[in-house]
Amino acid sequence: SQQGEEDPQALSIQEGENATMNCSYKTSINNLQWYRQNSGRGLVHLILIRSNEREKHSGRLRVTLDTSKKSSSLLITASRAADTASYFCATALNSGNTPLVFGKGTRLSVIA
Amino acid sequence: DTAVSQTPKYLVTQMGNDKSIKCEQNLGHDTMYWYKQDSKKFLKIMFSYNNKELIINETVPNRFSPKSPDKAHLNLHINSLELGDSAVYFCASSGMFAGNTEAFFGQGTRLTVV
Repeated sequence: SQQGEEDPQALSIQEGENATMNCSYKTSINNLQWYRQNSGRGLVHLILIRSNEREKHSGRLRVTLDTSKKSSSLLITASRAADTASYFCATALNSGNTPLVFGKGTRLSVIA
Repeated sequence: DTAVSQTPKYLVTQMGNDKSIKCEQNLGHDTMYWYKQDSKKFLKIMFSYNNKELIINETVPNRFSPKSPDKAHLNLHINSLELGDSAVYFCASSGMFAGNTEAFFGQGTRLTVV
């Protein structure tokens, strides 16, 4: 069953602007990860945040996690045309041996 | 060197045929997965293997049979293909089960059943 839900489904911004994507999930998690998928390609891992962390940075990426609200956000600052892609959150559940469960993704278009 | 490679990249076949997709990872990971991505980009786990053993088999028709000859390979065989099987299939691997580390994905196999 689907665990994560990204919001918005699609986002279009100008180059240089910031892009914020949100993810909500339903059950307790061990960690939450964000992935990028360029058109016609596989998924690439961006960042992992553990359930005991609240914020994490990697370059122009900033991820927050609020376990009380079961939500996470991905912020891409100073966006570039090359950031155009689909972004997925994926959750790793607490319950034993379970694989990553992905949301439906946010389609980001950065216009030059 | 490609970390997770799957072949073929594109597969067009007729209904009722049997086809296989191969996947290999050179990362030394213990765990491999098959995901299916539908036309709406929704990614759904199909199978998980840990050290050549099937761990998870999500509600997948038994026409789909994974085979892991060793922990670096996880192939997917599909019998009696149906129109609804058309999708992009992704192989992935990770170094530790339960998603405690990142997953590495192959480039995907776009299967079209006509």
